[in-house]
Amino acid sequence: SQWGEENLQALSIQEGEDVTMNCSYKTYTTVVHWYRQDSGRGPALIILIRSNEREKRSGRLRATLDTSSQSSSLSITAAQCEDTAVYFCATVAGGADRLTFGKGTQLIIQP
Amino acid sequence: DTTVKQNPRYKLARVGKPVNLICSQTMNHDTMYWYQKKPNQAPKLLLFYYDKILNREADTFEKFQSSRPNNSFCSLYIGSAGLEYSAMYLCASSSPWDEQYFGPGTRLTVL
Repeated sequence: SQWGEENLQALSIQEGEDVTMNCSYKTYTTVVHWYRQDSGRGPALIILIRSNEREKRSGRLRATLDTSSQSSSLSITAAQCEDTAVYFCATVAGGADRLTFGKGTQLIIQP
Repeated sequence: DTTVKQNPRYKLARVGKPVNLICSQTMNHDTMYWYQKKPNQAPKLLLFYYDKILNREADTFEKFQSSRPNNSFCSLYIGSAGLEYSAMYLCASSSPWDEQYFGPGTRLTVL
């Protein structure tokens, strides 16, 4: 498998809190994608981080990438109810067109 | 318009019967993909078309067929559905080295 076993399956927090989701991967990649999937919709890219970047920010999102430990994280600051979704990380493996997804984290934000 | 459309959204099939799922995009993307997603599992790449060239993953090679009659349309065909084919099927498209845009998925239930 491309993925380690550290991926969380479900996470529930209160609105306003910060949250971090982690994933680790086994095979070399030049980029980590983070996708969000809302109920009834397909996954949508929310942020990607390349191997020459240690950190990437987009609004309340922050992604990190540690190529030495082959791990990435996605943090959301001041989570809001609309952040409730499943979050996937994905790496590019076996060619530019092949994304390999992790299992994902079901994030639930409680009002 | 970055919409990827999938039809039908829900499909009920009998064991042993064929299933044909349709995907379309109007972004003139070179590559179209099909993923299978089961509950609590990562989306799994089944196959993808780069232009007219079909690439099928080794472990699903014999289970799925596909066609791409033109740049905008791509189908996923199951010749004889089994219970294990029950899943969400996600179509995506992209330009080279760009993000993948996903459709809403087709939920296939095989009885």
